[in-house]
Amino acid sequence: GAVVSQHPSWVICKSGTSVKIECRSLDFQATTMFWYRQFPKQSLMLMATSNEGSKATYEQGVEKDKFLINHASLTLSTLTVTSAHPEDSSFYICSAAIGQTKNIQYFGAGTRLSVL
Amino acid sequence: EDQVTQSPEALRLQEGESSSLNCSYTVSGLRGLFWYRQDPGKGPEFLFTLYSAGEEKEKERLKATLTKKESFLHITAPKPEDSATYLCAVQTILTDSWGKLQFGAGTQVVVTP
Repeated sequence: GAVVSQHPSWVICKSGTSVKIECRSLDFQATTMFWYRQFPKQSLMLMATSNEGSKATYEQGVEKDKFLINHASLTLSTLTVTSAHPEDSSFYICSAAIGQTKNIQYFGAGTRLSVL
Repeated sequence: EDQVTQSPEALRLQEGESSSLNCSYTVSGLRGLFWYRQDPGKGPEFLFTLYSAGEEKEKERLKATLTKKESFLHITAPKPEDSATYLCAVQTILTDSWGKLQFGAGTQVVVTP
């Protein structure tokens, strides 16, 4: 149980285009999902908290208009990187919270974004 | 300011050579401490969660312990398949940070045959 699927696993795009990443909880309902960013040899940095049916909460320094998050259902959250630039190239990982107090996070496999 | 520090940064072990990883933390009210394993190019895999000092949890060759200031992840008689980066993360009781995880930088473990 507690499987989180993330798609795509790898995407290459041209500078200025937008990219959408999907995060699905396959065998449970997740009212809360999280989006992280990870640079090579570094740890995960939380970008935003995504709550089903409401606006996402962004961490300080994360541009809301650049990283659009939609959590339209209990099993799907999406992250759209708008007008991507080479500096947005990174490893993006989502997680979904589960448990009685929803405090255990299970992670997707991640999406490697390369912006040319 | 909340801090999570992991040591060592990297650890190279011979197969069967037991060792421990450290995660020290300074937070304003610990709700839970989490251990994850991350393989290259993959998302973290949940291992353990610990909630109170003195708590211990085991899974195969791994054992996690918690004190009021730090947590240890003991790897007993490791095998090459235990090679991975081990991440420690904390969750605090502050309302506005509910559910959020703050990660340490990780310990990269390499186990050679």
